[in-house]
Amino acid sequence: DTEVTQTPKHLVMGMTNKKSLKCEQHMGHRAMYWYKQKAKKPPELMFVYSYEKLSINESVPSRFSPECPNSSLLNLHLHALQPEDSALYLCASSLGPGLQLQETQYFGPGTRLLVL
Amino acid sequence: RKEVEQDPGPFNVPEGATVAFNCTYSNSASQSFFWYRQDCRKEPKLLMSVYSSGNEDGRFTAQLNRASQYISLLIRDSKLSDSATYLCVVNKPGTYKYIFGTGTRLKVLA
Repeated sequence: DTEVTQTPKHLVMGMTNKKSLKCEQHMGHRAMYWYKQKAKKPPELMFVYSYEKLSINESVPSRFSPECPNSSLLNLHLHALQPEDSALYLCASSLGPGLQLQETQYFGPGTRLLVL
Repeated sequence: RKEVEQDPGPFNVPEGATVAFNCTYSNSASQSFFWYRQDCRKEPKLLMSVYSSGNEDGRFTAQLNRASQYISLLIRDSKLSDSATYLCVVNKPGTYKYIFGTGTRLKVLA
């Protein structure tokens, strides 16, 4: 099973709302990622968690707040977003950094976010 | 120079054609290479890892050329269902990052 699940599939929110995106995997992977993808562009890395600790923050604005409650779950808390934050938000997981040479990332289906 | 570069295309090919994409990378210390396929409004899905000796999976063949720092993907006997964007992904050594190319769009025409 190489499944990463994400909820919700779609989300519409106003600029004053607070919402959360959720990601889950049960593959025993110890690295989890959040990416943002705009139309016709490649995924853009936002955050990396390794063994439940934040390893990389790609200078993401503080209105995006990641959380890793346990090794299977990854959340992205959203607050006071801007219309330009509208995008597809992808979660991915991999076995664990440095654990194998060709470490494959598996992506969830994404949450399509629209900020009004 | 971009860390990972791909020709964005689109490549428009007839069914049954053979098509090849290249992807160049800038960091000679990179060790992990992948081709992902992404359909419109869907997530990227792993197509193939790319190994030093080259590897084949059905109609798909991936090659790595370390001397020239590029990887390639060859698709034989193209099907309509092969129409997608093909993303080249390379690890950034010393980090937990994967660098994505811009993707190459393929349209297979009936």
